[in-house]
Amino acid sequence: AQTVTQSQPEMSVQEAETVTLSCTYDTSENNYYLFWYKQPPSRQMILVIRQEAYKQQNATENRFSVNFQKAAKSFSLKISDSQLGDTAMYFCAFGMTSGTYKYIFGTGTRLKVLA
Amino acid sequence: GAGVSQSPRYKVAKRGQDVALRCDPISGHVSLFWYQQALGQGPEFLTYFQNEAQLDKSGLPSDRFFAERPEGSVSTLKIQRTQQEDSAVYLCASSFGGSGYTFGSGTRLTVV
Repeated sequence: AQTVTQSQPEMSVQEAETVTLSCTYDTSENNYYLFWYKQPPSRQMILVIRQEAYKQQNATENRFSVNFQKAAKSFSLKISDSQLGDTAMYFCAFGMTSGTYKYIFGTGTRLKVLA
Repeated sequence: GAGVSQSPRYKVAKRGQDVALRCDPISGHVSLFWYQQALGQGPEFLTYFQNEAQLDKSGLPSDRFFAERPEGSVSTLKIQRTQQEDSAVYLCASSFGGSGYTFGSGTRLTVV
């Protein structure tokens, strides 16, 4: 069975600074997806960034980038030039590439961006 | 539609009541998922549909939970004889496959 662990329940960062959120996972699968989702108080889960395990290159989306270490089963999210609107819960998730496509989520990290 | 729509946004039920939660996925998305998110936790998988077929219901916590998607589009999650431990946000998501869901805003269920 797959597990996802986020060891930082809460983090804060000054506006315009950089912050890194940690995620580790466990699986015996060779191919899979990893995701970071953002959940603001509106409750809607918003996809921030996606990584396919067979791709060695780290995914980037504007101010968001990941450090994917497949051997170490680590998938951290770096947010550059933090903005007040980045304040939210962030969830790391593991997804299969076949079968049910269900996701396994971590317990989340609450990020607060300070003015 | 442009996004995944869920209704109602909030639902308060007395213990023992039956509730029905609705999800209207993105048009054309064959895959539909239901997740349960307890307070302060990450979402947990409940069930998965591909078109009208319920291919995985391994996450449904008890036989009081039932989901359907009879025409392969709108889905309903029904909870019978609600209990306090059923209080949570219920999230619906849809996708073409597994490369990234689109979630709705969820239904917050409070059982009193």
